[in-house]
Amino acid sequence: DTGVSQDPRHKITKRGQNVTFRCDPISEHNRLYWYRQTLGQGPEFLTYFQNEAQLEKSRLLSDRFSAERPKGSFSTLEIQRTEQGDSAMYLCASSLLGVSYEQFFGPGTRLTVL
Amino acid sequence: TQLLEQSPQFLSIQEGENLTVYCNSSSVFSSLQWYRQEPGEGPVLLVTVVTGGEVKKLKRLTFQFGDARKDSSLHITAAQPGDTGLYLCAGGRRSNDYKLSFGAGTTVTVRA
Repeated sequence: DTGVSQDPRHKITKRGQNVTFRCDPISEHNRLYWYRQTLGQGPEFLTYFQNEAQLEKSRLLSDRFSAERPKGSFSTLEIQRTEQGDSAMYLCASSLLGVSYEQFFGPGTRLTVL
Repeated sequence: TQLLEQSPQFLSIQEGENLTVYCNSSSVFSSLQWYRQEPGEGPVLLVTVVTGGEVKKLKRLTFQFGDARKDSSLHITAAQPGDTGLYLCAGGRRSNDYKLSFGAGTTVTVRA
């Protein structure tokens, strides 16, 4: 078990560009969560999946954001037409529903929009 | 607006001293987790408490869940420089499918 992994760890982009992040959860974890963390704040919930089904999207997630988990394993988070306000740490977490509700986090992807 | 309020926001102490971090809410939680986060990294789970009044110990760290399951505290005995980091509390509710609500965190610095 290698834990939750995220790629890339850092991304610098220009305003208006599209970016995509990947999250690989702990194997066999059926729940996958995305959070966003800005400086001086705790993580804020964005969306989550149970297997391949997206169960909820936060109001923080504008139409420019889309997340998928096509085969119930890894997930991608895409941001279209990035804005400077999108600069943040994007965190992924996974859990095994039915066994434990504890969420285990990946190292995050730090996005900087210039 | 954070559902969970943490205090203090910053804490700087000398190695060997004790410290306590508080996490308070007006809401009842089914479970509460404490995480530690280092700069540029994701939060690392330290402990989960689920029963009102529960006390858990992890080496020099003692975690307590309030009787009403609305508040929690983290106490570190004889702090070491390796305890330096951002401590986050996060609450989950069964009615909300255990999605986590985080506090803003307490930045702890332990000076050698």
